[in-house]
Amino acid sequence: KQEVTQIPAALSVPEGENLVLNCSFTDSAIYNLQWFRQDPGKGLTSLLLIQSSQREQTSGRLNASLDKSSGRSTLYIAASQPGDSATYLCAVIGNSGNTPLVFGKGTRLSVIA
Amino acid sequence: DAGVIQSPRHEVTEMGQEVTLRCKPISGHNSLFWYRQTMMRGLELLIYFNNNVPIDDSGMPEDRFSAKMPNASFSTLKIQPSEPRDSAVYFCASSLRLAGVKETQYFGPGTRLLVL
Repeated sequence: KQEVTQIPAALSVPEGENLVLNCSFTDSAIYNLQWFRQDPGKGLTSLLLIQSSQREQTSGRLNASLDKSSGRSTLYIAASQPGDSATYLCAVIGNSGNTPLVFGKGTRLSVIA
Repeated sequence: DAGVIQSPRHEVTEMGQEVTLRCKPISGHNSLFWYRQTMMRGLELLIYFNNNVPIDDSGMPEDRFSAKMPNASFSTLKIQPSEPRDSAVYFCASSLRLAGVKETQYFGPGTRLLVL
């Protein structure tokens, strides 16, 4: 059974810092990996999607990498801003059949002005 | 597009009452997912549908939970009778799945359920 772990569970950084969020998964047979953002009391917004054949995806100040063989992904946020404060969730979807997304528990990020 | 629509946004009920959560997926999407989010367990899949047919309901915790998708534009998740431990945020998501390609899921704003 696929398990997704995110470290750290919470992170507080001063504005302007570059930071890295980590995600690991136990079964490397994934179809893709997604990073989501969740603001308090809100739904999930997809930030980046990496197909299993890709190594990384970039969107603005965000860069996500994928090392499928080692079961790891990182989300790099450059020049963090207070508006980046949210919970970041990593999720994977398996190769076989109609497998759904399996989520980590998230990293709660606070960027202090 | 209005995105995935869920109603109600908040629900407070007493133990033993029936609760019905509603979801309207994005038009044209053919897969629909119901998730539950709690502090302890994070986001967990309850059930999902492909072309209105339930594919995997192994995440449904008990017989008290049931889900239906009578047509491509509407789904319900029902809890009867509700219990305090059902208190959580329930998310609906939809996606387009064609020829084995699994597209990204789009999430609704969630329904915050509190069972007293």
